[in-house]
Amino acid sequence: TQLLEQSPQFLSIQEGENLTVYCNSSSVFSSLQWYRQEPGEGPVLLVTVVTGGEVKKLKRLTFQFGDARKDSSLHITAAQPGDTGLYLCAGARGSQGNLIFGKGTKLSVKP
Amino acid sequence: DAGITQSPRHKVTETGTPVTLRCHQTENHRYMYWYRQDPGHGLRLIHYSYGVKDTDKGEVSDGYSVSRSKTEDFLLTLESATSSQTSVYFCATGTAVVETQYFGPGTRLLVL
Repeated sequence: TQLLEQSPQFLSIQEGENLTVYCNSSSVFSSLQWYRQEPGEGPVLLVTVVTGGEVKKLKRLTFQFGDARKDSSLHITAAQPGDTGLYLCAGARGSQGNLIFGKGTKLSVKP
Repeated sequence: DAGITQSPRHKVTETGTPVTLRCHQTENHRYMYWYRQDPGHGLRLIHYSYGVKDTDKGEVSDGYSVSRSKTEDFLLTLESATSSQTSVYFCATGTAVVETQYFGPGTRLLVL
């Protein structure tokens, strides 16, 4: 059972376009993390959201945590080729248990 | 950058042979993790450690064992490698179980 569903699985867009990727679950999470993984490397943390309804911005990236803390979205404005990579969400349930990772959204931004 | 190294970075081995992968960290993080990453499956937790000599199983632990004799080193052993264990293996570390995880560069393992 995949507790965290990410969509779309693949996304190929042109430079300058906007996009949104989603991370959904039927479970409540105490916090949710977003990672980006470039080819041949390990994932690197982008942001952690903790409060329901929270919005965090990281330059052209906007992260939102759903009010019920069951879902999250990542919006990229004016995508650039450097945004290419695999975007992973990971949820935490309380202070026990391990992070649960989604399968990821593979983004390709063409110049 | 959490100073995590993995060795070897690439390995080709034959079915039935034992294989050991090493993860080394310089950050004195308490928690260490081994994941495998496969197309269509994402990152799956194999084993993790919450201290020296303290380890526990993850989601896909069958056929794998781990050891942690020092804070900085976490070893993953494939007892008798099978083709289904062909994968990219990532080590990660963290200061608390639900906090940021810092990943190593990965080891590509091919079992023929």
